[in-house]
Amino acid sequence: NAGVMQNPRHLVRRRGQEARLRCSPMKGHSHVYWYRQLPEEGLKFMVYLQKENIIDESGMPKERFSAEFPKEGPSILRIQQVVRGDSAAYFCASSPPPNSPLHFGNGTRLTVT
Amino acid sequence: RKEVEQDPGPFNVPEGATVAFNCTYSNSASQSFFWYRQDCRKEPKLLMSVYSSGNEDGRFTAQLNRASQYISLLIRDSKLSDSATYLCVVNMGGGSNYKLTFGKGTLLTVNP
Repeated sequence: NAGVMQNPRHLVRRRGQEARLRCSPMKGHSHVYWYRQLPEEGLKFMVYLQKENIIDESGMPKERFSAEFPKEGPSILRIQQVVRGDSAAYFCASSPPPNSPLHFGNGTRLTVT
Repeated sequence: RKEVEQDPGPFNVPEGATVAFNCTYSNSASQSFFWYRQDCRKEPKLLMSVYSSGNEDGRFTAQLNRASQYISLLIRDSKLSDSATYLCVVNMGGGSNYKLTFGKGTLLTVNP
């Protein structure tokens, strides 16, 4: 019974490169959420997606960040032209209906050098 | 006032001790409240929801005071395996529960 799977676990990028973070929700879950945890901070909501739809992106930075959840395949969080301030742990969560408890993946730790 | 504010910690307690975590939240319209635990460099896991009447799950008791906008978690007879960071989590997103706001967490270390 695989949980929420995220990869890679660790990602190192130089400033200006692109980072792509992947998330496969739990089997049977069609709702995906991305959260970011900056160093010494609590997790912050970024975006909520269903298959092929962005439902709520109110927590996403306006520039350089995008997310998708295609019909086939994992959800992708994409960060273009990364900067040092993007260094954080990025957690994906999934749920069956949206009012169910969220199940978190074990995160991708992005380090921008 | 921060959206969700917790005891800064860290807490170091011996096995068998009782430990209490406190949390305040800023949005009086918040609907749902939770405690999560997060082990070092792992994902947050739901520990328990917090209900208005207070609720208990084994050694864990959660309380909510809406008037004071205050949430607490009590752990009795603490075990080594309780060592983790405890996260106070509030849903500020109206009817749905996905827009969770997490506190920074309080680190607990239970010592033998």
